[in-house]
Amino acid sequence: KQEVTQIPAALSVPEGENLVLNCSFTDSAIYNLQWFRQDPGKGLTSLLLIQSSQREQTSGRLNASLDKSSGRSTLYIAASQPGDSATYLCAVNGNQFYFGTGTSLTVIP
Amino acid sequence: DVKVTQSSRYLVKRTGEKVFLECVQDMDHENMFWYRQDPGLGLRLIYFSYDVKMKEKGDIPEGYSVSREKKERFSLILESASTNQTSMYLCASSTFALSSGNTIYFGEGSWLTVV
Repeated sequence: KQEVTQIPAALSVPEGENLVLNCSFTDSAIYNLQWFRQDPGKGLTSLLLIQSSQREQTSGRLNASLDKSSGRSTLYIAASQPGDSATYLCAVNGNQFYFGTGTSLTVIP
Repeated sequence: DVKVTQSSRYLVKRTGEKVFLECVQDMDHENMFWYRQDPGLGLRLIYFSYDVKMKEKGDIPEGYSVSREKKERFSLILESASTNQTSMYLCASSTFALSSGNTIYFGEGSWLTVV
């Protein structure tokens, strides 16, 4: 069974810092990988979707990369802002969706 | 704009009550899902459906059932609520899962407290 791991579970950074969130998965037979943001008490909002044939996707200050062979993805956030504080989850899409437990990010003003 | 709507955001129910959680999507998606999310455990799949009247068990189906009478609507039913079912419930939908291009979309979640 696919296992998705996100380390660290929590991260605290000062405003303006660039940061990287990590996601690893055990089975490289995936169709795509998706990064989500979740604010407290809310649902998941899709940030970026990377197809299995792609290496990276960008949206504004966010850049997600995918290395399928090594089972890794990273989400790079440039020039972090307090509004980026949230939990970030990754999900891999194989024969079903598998989710990591997320990284809780706090950006300190 | 893509929309998955969960009818109840916050519910408080008594032990033994029958509970219905409703979810509607407006994207004509084939697949619909119910997850529960608990601290430290992440999202766990309860049930999913890939077509009207079709349902498949997820990882934790015990104590739950589902109904999908129309393509846009997927209901989660707790036949006899128990305190260990206190959780955040998330509904989601997607196009056919074996496609390389699909995205999964989530509702805002339903907080259920069983007392």
